[in-house]
Amino acid sequence: DAKTTQPTSMDCAEGRAANLPCNHSTISGNEYVYWYRQIHSQGPQYIIHGLKNNETNEMASLIITEDRKSSTLILPHATLRDTAVYYCIVATGANNLFFGTGTRLTVIP
Amino acid sequence: KAGVTQTPRYLIKTRGQQVTLSCSPISGHRSVSWYQQTPGQGLQFLFEYFSETQRNKGNFPGRFSGRQFSNSRSEMNVSTLELGDSALYLCASSLEVVYNEQFFGPGTRLTVL
Repeated sequence: DAKTTQPTSMDCAEGRAANLPCNHSTISGNEYVYWYRQIHSQGPQYIIHGLKNNETNEMASLIITEDRKSSTLILPHATLRDTAVYYCIVATGANNLFFGTGTRLTVIP
Repeated sequence: KAGVTQTPRYLIKTRGQQVTLSCSPISGHRSVSWYQQTPGQGLQFLFEYFSETQRNKGNFPGRFSGRQFSNSRSEMNVSTLELGDSALYLCASSLEVVYNEQFFGPGTRLTVL
């Protein structure tokens, strides 16, 4: 079952950073935070995951608070192709993920 | 490297029938997971197979079943179809490392009439 809370929707201006928050106050010590996104009519796409340290890859950065009860996904320079539903997931294993309702991010020209 | 492929892409069945969906994982991936996506319930985990064994199972009735073959290809079967089974069925594969990314296929759109 989903253990995360995300805003239903967000807008972001093209070229600006998109900061997507996620609350996971009941996260356990052995649970990772995963972010996926789903562009309309496609399968979800992995973005990033982390345990307690901040993580960065070519797509995004993941900032996890020290108490691990919340995190923020940062898309540094949002483009129109980043318009999608973004899912924040906490799980002990990568292969049985429970998706919530996610945040619908709309990048505005 | 080819991505995850699913067949068929679209399927129309009637209530009471059964259906089999197929998934071919990325070469070298041994874990295959299945998900159901509906407008009302969102993305829900069905089950995961690893080395031909079901390793995890979601909260779905026994009408939903699956299997994995020695080449890691997987099939899922839904028997006695109900209208509520209309959904996008997604397959995802990953390496055997636990904390790793899943690669999703394009899905099979099942419509039950």
